[in-house]
Amino acid sequence: EDQVTQSPEALRLQEGESSSLNCSYTVSGLRGLFWYRQDPGKGPEFLFTLYSAGEEKEKERLKATLTKKESFLHITAPKPEDSATYLCAVQGGGAQKLVFGQGTRLTINP
Amino acid sequence: GAVVSQHPSRVICKSGTSVKIECRSLDFQATTMFWYRQFPKKSLMLMATSNEGSKATYEQGVEKDKFLINHASLTLSTLTVTSAHPEDSSFYICSAISLSTDTQYFGPGTRLTVL
Repeated sequence: EDQVTQSPEALRLQEGESSSLNCSYTVSGLRGLFWYRQDPGKGPEFLFTLYSAGEEKEKERLKATLTKKESFLHITAPKPEDSATYLCAVQGGGAQKLVFGQGTRLTINP
Repeated sequence: GAVVSQHPSRVICKSGTSVKIECRSLDFQATTMFWYRQFPKKSLMLMATSNEGSKATYEQGVEKDKFLINHASLTLSTLTVTSAHPEDSSFYICSAISLSTDTQYFGPGTRLTVL
C-alpha cells in the first residue's frame, strides 16, 4: 500500500529563516510526487511535480528535491505570505489517484 | 491555465434535504475528476473517482447511494449529497486531471453545513 508521511506536522519560522519540509514515501512504481500549497478554507494549489530521483524544481523561494525514499521542500528566506499548509502526494503504478500526506502547517512570523 | 471551479462555494441546508455541488474544468477537458472531503486541520480524504461517461469508483467506506456522482461531460462533474445529515457537514473539494500535464488541479472547495 502506498504511504506518505510528512514532517514536521507544524513549523514556525521567523521571516528570512530558511528551512526544509520532509516527505517520506513508499510506493509501487512512482509515477509522480506532487507538492501542493493549501491556504485555510481553499483548495490545494499546485506547486511542483517530480518524477525521478535526483530531480529538482524551483519556484520563487521554494525548491523541491526528490530521492528514492523522500522529497524535501526547501524554503529560502521565507516571507509571511508563505504561511500555509504544504501537502505532499504520490501517484503510483497505473493509478491516477493521489495518496496524500498529512501536511505541514508552516507559519512565518514577521 | 488549468483552472477548476466549484459551485456553490458554501451552502447551508436542512437535515434530510439533498445538495448538489458542481465541479468544472474551465480551460481543459478532464476525463477523470476526483471528489475529496476534508475535516478541519486534516488532510484530504478521497471519496471517489469520477470518469466521464461511466460509473464513479468509490473508496472503501463511502456510501455510493448517499454521495451520487455524475460526470456527464468532459468539463463537468457533480456530487449530490442525498438526505444530508449534520455529520455530512464538511469541506468538499474536487480536482480534475489535465491530460497534457498528468497533474491534478483542485477546485476552491465547497463548505457544506447541514443544520
